[in-house]
Amino acid sequence: SQQGEEDPQALSIQEGENATMNCSYKTSINNLQWYRQNSGRGLVHLILIRSNEREKHSGRLRVTLDTSKKSSSLLITASRAADTASYFCATAAMDSSYKLIFGSGTRLLVRP
Amino acid sequence: DADVTQTPRNRITKTGKRIMLECSQTKGHDRMYWYRQDPGLGLRLIYYSFDVKDINKGEISDGYSVSRQAQAKFSLSLESAIPNQTALYFCATSDAHIDTQYFGPGTRLTVL
Repeated sequence: SQQGEEDPQALSIQEGENATMNCSYKTSINNLQWYRQNSGRGLVHLILIRSNEREKHSGRLRVTLDTSKKSSSLLITASRAADTASYFCATAAMDSSYKLIFGSGTRLLVRP
Repeated sequence: DADVTQTPRNRITKTGKRIMLECSQTKGHDRMYWYRQDPGLGLRLIYYSFDVKDINKGEISDGYSVSRQAQAKFSLSLESAIPNQTALYFCATSDAHIDTQYFGPGTRLTVL
């Protein structure tokens, strides 16, 4: 079963625009993480936000977490063609934070 | 050199054959994981290991077995491959105190 569901499934934007993708989950979490996957390659960790945090930044990335709504969003500002990839949220449960449950991902295309 | 390596990177085999996928890491992490990814979906956990003597089933362990030969090596076996095991397989590692996972480049397995 997949805990995180992402929206939209696919997103196409122009270079320079911002990209926002959302993740909803079902059960209480210890933390939520975002990963990027370039076509057919391994996942790369982007950012981790803990359940007691509401917002976190890393470079052009901004992640928010709303535990009351069981949702998170990832904002990529000033997108570049190199940001083209699939983005996955992954939740870590309260009692087993080592075990990640991944969403189905958002495929982002940034057009030059 | 990559911190997490997987061999082979691509494999085509026939139904009923035994297959072993290997993973090695130089990160010094205790925890290792095997996932599979099907087209358009997120990752699903097959097995995970906290150390050489601690191996646990994940969400979809049926049809798979694993061996943790050393802290740095974790192998996944398909005793009798079947076509619906055609997928991308990823190995990952994590530190015991940090939930972030580090992924290998993946093995693309095709079972004919």
